[in-house]
Amino acid sequence: AQKITQTQPGMFVQEKEAVTLDCTYDTSDPSYGLFWYKQPSSGEMIFLIYQGSYDQQNATEGRYSLNFQKARKSANLVISASQLGDSAMYFCAMRYPMNYGGSQGNLIFGKGTKLSVKP
Amino acid sequence: DGGITQSPKYLFRKEGQNVTLSCEQNLNHDAMYWYRQDPGQGLRLIYYSQIVNDFQKGDIAEGYSVSREKKESFPLTVTSAQKNPTAFYLCASSPRVRIDSNQPQHFGDGTRLSIL
Repeated sequence: AQKITQTQPGMFVQEKEAVTLDCTYDTSDPSYGLFWYKQPSSGEMIFLIYQGSYDQQNATEGRYSLNFQKARKSANLVISASQLGDSAMYFCAMRYPMNYGGSQGNLIFGKGTKLSVKP
Repeated sequence: DGGITQSPKYLFRKEGQNVTLSCEQNLNHDAMYWYRQDPGQGLRLIYYSQIVNDFQKGDIAEGYSVSREKKESFPLTVTSAQKNPTAFYLCASSPRVRIDSNQPQHFGDGTRLSIL
């Protein structure tokens, strides 16, 4: 069965420092995709970064980078130079493998990590 | 601007009443999804639709119903059979998924449903 685990319910980081949010996943399929979303207190889900299982390099998008360790089945999000506006819930999600018929494209979400940035 | 519009932002339901949450997208996406989020929890899939006039149950479909008569619209009805409907509901859409697609799901701003 597919599963996403985020073990940090809450994290604190000082403004301008880097922070790593953990995500581990479980799948037996070789083809999958991993996504990170940010959810501010207003509720909308904002897509941050994507990592495909066959991607040779770790994904990066501005201040966001993904530490993808395939053998360990981990896809940790690294936020560099934290800003006050980074305070939010962060969700890791995995897309169902392509051989799941009608379920392909569906996402499985972890329970999230609440990040608080201190001034 | 393209996006997903959910309405209303806040909704109150009386006991025994059905309520319908609206979700409209102008992104020309084939696939649409409904999620439920409880406090301190991740998102759980209620229903999804990969194409017009077709939809499938997700992990927690009991007490909910949907329709997909138009590509742009995917309304969710919370029926009286859903005994604990108080939650935050999010609608999303995406292009049809291709092999190793990096296309994310795009989300609306959500509807908060409460019981009176």
